[in-house]
Amino acid sequence: NAGVMQNPRHLVRRRGQEARLRCSPMKGHSHVYWYRQLPEEGLKFMVYLQKENIIDESGMPKERFSAEFPKEGPSILRIQQVVRGDSAAYFCASSPRGTSGRKNEQFFGPGTRLTVL
Amino acid sequence: GNSVTQMEGPVTLSEEAFLTINCTYTATGYPSLFWYVQYPGEGLQLLLKATKADDKGSNKGFEATYRKETTSFHLEKGSVQVSDSAVYFCALNTGNQFYFGTGTSLTVIP
Repeated sequence: NAGVMQNPRHLVRRRGQEARLRCSPMKGHSHVYWYRQLPEEGLKFMVYLQKENIIDESGMPKERFSAEFPKEGPSILRIQQVVRGDSAAYFCASSPRGTSGRKNEQFFGPGTRLTVL
Repeated sequence: GNSVTQMEGPVTLSEEAFLTINCTYTATGYPSLFWYVQYPGEGLQLLLKATKADDKGSNKGFEATYRKETTSFHLEKGSVQVSDSAVYFCALNTGNQFYFGTGTSLTVIP
């Protein structure tokens, strides 16, 4: 059973360009979470999605950032008009169900490291 | 609100030394507590967890006990190895969102 897949692993963009980060959850998992890790900091929650629905986007910046998890295909985190402050590692996690119960582990992907020049 | 505070690193130990990484938390409700480990260039891997007060999580020689009275979940290992060098994150979960500490970098030297 393959783990959570993220691509690309490294992404370089110039200021003003768009960044698209992809996440394929583990097989059988229908819940996806995106986190951002800034240098020297812990992970910060951005958004939680189920298939075709955004459940909680309380951690996502209101502008330039969007996320989707279509019925078919990977989840996409999209950053428009990137700025240098967007440089970070973006991690995706998945779970087979919501994690508010006792069996509430999230499985993490290897991350995408975004560098904005 | 929910938050996690970890001892700051970096921590450098000799092989076979005793390890403690402190973690305290603030939470509404009854959180589950976790330790994740991140090796260079990789994502987070679950190390251990505890879902209720007085539970002890353990894995690969690491242990942590959920202490509700002190709101703590300190990570310990009796004898560290070079291969334990990594960044360790304490985290809590009360719903669908995880809250992470800032991470503690551990380097074990031979």
